[in-house]
Amino acid sequence: NAGVTQTPKFQVLKTGQSMTLQCAQDMNHNSMYWYRQDPGMGLRLIYYSASEGTTDKGEVPNGYNVSRLNKREFSLRLESAAPSQTSVYFCASRFGTEAFFGQGTRLTVV
Amino acid sequence: AQKITQTQPGMFVQEKEAVTLDCTYDTSDPSYGLFWYKQPSSGEMIFLIYQGSYDQQNATEGRYSLNFQKARKSANLVISASQLGDSAMYFCAMREGRNAGNMLTFGGGTRLMVKP
Repeated sequence: NAGVTQTPKFQVLKTGQSMTLQCAQDMNHNSMYWYRQDPGMGLRLIYYSASEGTTDKGEVPNGYNVSRLNKREFSLRLESAAPSQTSVYFCASRFGTEAFFGQGTRLTVV
Repeated sequence: AQKITQTQPGMFVQEKEAVTLDCTYDTSDPSYGLFWYKQPSSGEMIFLIYQGSYDQQNATEGRYSLNFQKARKSANLVISASQLGDSAMYFCAMREGRNAGNMLTFGGGTRLMVKP
């Protein structure tokens, strides 16, 4: 099934560990986004990339870094995980009137 | 200031009735787009409908329609003939234009519960 693929689906980290969440889309979309969703809340924008080679901070960028490796891939890195980063992470891609999401990554930091 | 506001944290609707979910937005960009998503309990985000700021007519997709009132900066989702499977969280989102770097920001969501 084409679309937005996120890996991993689940992850448990210890405080201070690092990890990278991967996202790839095969729809040739220019814009890609990373969000976090805390329980019972909406989606908050962490970082986004309007096109290959550009990235910008969203509402809650602290503690994260991103890489737009090419048009297909947009990764999110946690350099030193903290319990406050426990959340569900969604990647999305958009072109024009289409915007689609990956299945989400449930991350727990203990 | 909130860019997208959904003022109804939760709503009930009787099966087969219509329901309106409210969304207001704030932008100074003349070019923008509005999206609605459904998030069932399984967690995935399902795209429902899109309205562009220059679209003359309200968007419709099956049982979903968007009541777009540009002067009031509102983009309410109308679901006709509600079904039990419509029970979910619903999110409104706005894509701003080039001036804002094509950000896509979300409201806090509305939980819709359809009663049999």
